[in-house]
Amino acid sequence: SAVISQKPSRDICQRGTSLTIQCQVDSQVTMMFWYRQQPGQSLTLIATANQGSEATYESGFVIDKFPISRPNLTFSTLTVSNMSPEDSSIYLCSVSLTLYEQYFGPGTRLTVT
Amino acid sequence: SQQGEEDPQALSIQEGENATMNCSYKTSINNLQWYRQNSGRGLVHLILIRSNEREKHSGRLRVTLDTSKKSSSLLITASRAADTASYFCATDGRRNAGGTSYGKLTFGQGTILTVHP
Repeated sequence: SAVISQKPSRDICQRGTSLTIQCQVDSQVTMMFWYRQQPGQSLTLIATANQGSEATYESGFVIDKFPISRPNLTFSTLTVSNMSPEDSSIYLCSVSLTLYEQYFGPGTRLTVT
Repeated sequence: SQQGEEDPQALSIQEGENATMNCSYKTSINNLQWYRQNSGRGLVHLILIRSNEREKHSGRLRVTLDTSKKSSSLLITASRAADTASYFCATDGRRNAGGTSYGKLTFGQGTILTVHP
């Protein structure tokens, strides 16, 4: 298994600002993923972050809005840029240790006012 | 992209009763996983069933998979108040040319389970 931590756990931000969310894993992993969960909704994959390469974004998500860094095999950041109230969500990172199992962080609850 | 649909959207039962949740998906999959989420917090992996499996058990959980109908069900037996949570199915259906899954999950809409003591 993997132990994943995220910082911050929650934040309230003003529109137009940016927030960087950190994800730390207790072991080296190749693949990390970032998901968004809008209020009352399910999870949607934002992007895949692999160390040593550019993040791969899913349809509807762009790098300018959600820049991602992956400087090493245990850490990644997701920035939510130029925020609007529609960005209010829980953001979760996850890692894939095997071909089949994923482990999720506790999430970052973002509220944009 | 495939979309998972779950029903019911909400389920309310008494402690000790069984809870059954269903999930449908649209495209071919490598495996299907079930997760639990308590009060909008992180997800906990419950069980994974591979595309060549039909049924799997883990403690009080039983998962079935019918690839011909593109559906799965999660049964929680002898439910407890602590089982109160949202339950999501997620499918992993992408492979590269070498046959390795990228691990990208597509989640269903979820079922909110409330177990009354």
